Amino acid sequence: DVKVTQSSRYLVKRTGEKVFLECVQDMDHENMFWYRQDPGLGLRLIYFSYDVKMKEKGDIPEGYSVSREKKERFSLILESASTNQTSMYLCASSLGQSYNEQFFGPGTRLTVL
Amino acid sequence: DQQVKQNSPSLSVQEGRISILNCDYTNSMFDYFLWYKKYPAEGPTFLISISSIKDKNEDGRFTVFLNKSAKHLSLHIVPSQPGDSAVYFCALDGGSQGNLIFGKGTKLSVKP
Repeated sequence: DVKVTQSSRYLVKRTGEKVFLECVQDMDHENMFWYRQDPGLGLRLIYFSYDVKMKEKGDIPEGYSVSREKKERFSLILESASTNQTSMYLCASSLGQSYNEQFFGPGTRLTVL
Repeated sequence: DQQVKQNSPSLSVQEGRISILNCDYTNSMFDYFLWYKKYPAEGPTFLISISSIKDKNEDGRFTVFLNKSAKHLSLHIVPSQPGDSAVYFCALDGGSQGNLIFGKGTKLSVKP
């Protein structure tokens, strides 16, 4: 059974703080993804990674960075949190080749005050 | 410009009846299609998929239909159950190393 875990279910931060969201998967998947989900906007891809130390921008990378130092771990960093980054953040992983489903973590509900 | 559209933000169905969720796409390069289900405060879970060489795939109460000429995908749930109440996302894979493009979702409510 694939398991994707995220470091926090709920997080409250203040504007300007640096925020780290951690994601770990235990199935040796090559691909990892970070999305945010907002009402009426669906899932929007922030960043993804095909391999260790590799990263690619998604549709909405502004204000975010990522780190993948180990295959199983993919971190999302908000360098200076802003209120418009209040959202549900979802991490996912999948096998390297195409035509495979992505497996999602439970999500982190981030509130920036 | 949206590549994937789920035009109904919400759908309400009586328990035991059929639920039909729809998804339209614009680019014929997509060749693998998935449906995910999401409960509040949880991550999406994979439900069912179909490749472009098929026009139907069935798994228990869930059936996905693909009409390539119309660039239309639908998910049928029969019979619908209250536990099916969730947001449903269609997702499309264009073969680009596993990236999926998601629709905005349809919130299904199944009333007892």
